[in-house]
Formats: sequence, structure tokens, C-alpha cells
Amino acid sequence: DIQLTQSPSTLSASVGDRVTITCRASQSISNWLAWYQQKPGKAPKLLIYKASSLEGGVPSRFSGSGSRTEFTLTISSLQPDDFATYYCQQYNTEETFGQGTKLEIK
Amino acid sequence: EVQLEESGGGLVQPGGSLRLSCAASGFTFSSTAMSWVRQAPGKGLELVSIISGSGGSTYYADSVRGRFTISRDNSKNTLYLQMNGLRAEDTAVYYCAKARRILPPGYFDYWGQGTLVTVSS
Repeated sequence: DIQLTQSPSTLSASVGDRVTITCRASQSISNWLAWYQQKPGKAPKLLIYKASSLEGGVPSRFSGSGSRTEFTLTISSLQPDDFATYYCQQYNTEETFGQGTKLEIK
Repeated sequence: EVQLEESGGGLVQPGGSLRLSCAASGFTFSSTAMSWVRQAPGKGLELVSIISGSGGSTYYADSVRGRFTISRDNSKNTLYLQMNGLRAEDTAVYYCAKARRILPPGYFDYWGQGTLVTVSS
């Protein structure tokens, strides 16, 4: 099974900050990686697919990069609505999720 | 507009059974793989099962294989999850999620609101 490890597990930041979340895969997954945002009590929302493709309707301050085993999700300028938990998901072989990164207000 | 509406959750005793349903609309159901993803209280996301558009290909997480069965009725645009031999560790919100592919593996572009399954005596 392919394992995904996200870091950090928790991230404290302020509105306007640039933040980066990392997702590392236990083996190469090419660029078959998606990112989701989840708010408390809500379903996850797709942000990024194929490592760097922005889903329609998602603000351009979100971006993804990486390939093979190391990937990042960057939010260029944090907005109040961005405080949430973020998950990566690989779909190279079956589907697995990272453990999540909680983005908190500093 | 894509809509996914889960139903069938509730409280069940250990060892019991439950069947979840997900009614889909707003897209060509038979052309899309569908999945069940669960989230235990305060925990992360776990893929439970996924089924291809035709229903001919399925995958299960090790934690549920042999106890859960995923199926679909393309004539009714409905996805199902039959859960038998339920355990306390199956307690979670179960989400129905639409994949952006006809065959798994894939990523999920639309999600239902979730249905809570609680396994407890």
C-alpha cells in the first residue's frame, strides 16, 4: 500500500500569510495526487488534481506542485475562509489519503 | 447541478447490518466510478470502497473486505453499501463521492453531505 505523510500536522498562520503544506508518498505516484479542503461538519472539497491542476471555481491563491514522492500545496495569501483541514490523496495505485493538516488562526 | 444524497445511517449494535444508499443526479451516473469514504469522529478520511461505472470492478479497504459490499443500480442512479458484521471501529460519517473517471483509481470531485453510522450496544 502507498502511504502518504503530510507535514505539518497543524499549522498556525495569520491572514495574509503564505503557507505551504507538504505531502510525501512512500513510493512514486507520478503526479496522481489531489488536494482537498474540509471544514468542520462539512464534506471535503476538491482543490487540486493531477498535482497542479486547479479545480474550477477554486481561487487562484491555491496552487499545487511536485511529482513522484514529494508534493506541496501552497496558499499564497491566506484568507479567513481558508482556515480548515487539508488532505492529500493519491490515485496512482488504489486510493489513499494523507492524515490531514489543520490550518489554524495564529 | 451534481447532487449526491446519502441515507441509511443510524445506530446499530455490534455484529449488526446496515445498508447505505446514495442517490445521484446531475451527471451521467453510469459513466462514473463511485466510492464510499468514511471519517471516524475527529479522524481523517479513509476510502472504504470504490466501484467502476459499470459495476464490474470493485475495491475494498482491508478493514472492511469480506464484511462490506458496494453495488450500484445505474437504472436508478443509486449507489449502495451493504455493511455486515459491524464493529465499533466502523463508527464514522460515511460520504458518497463521485470520481472523475469511469474506472478507478481516481480522485473525487463531488461529495455528499455524509450519513452517520454509530455502532454501539
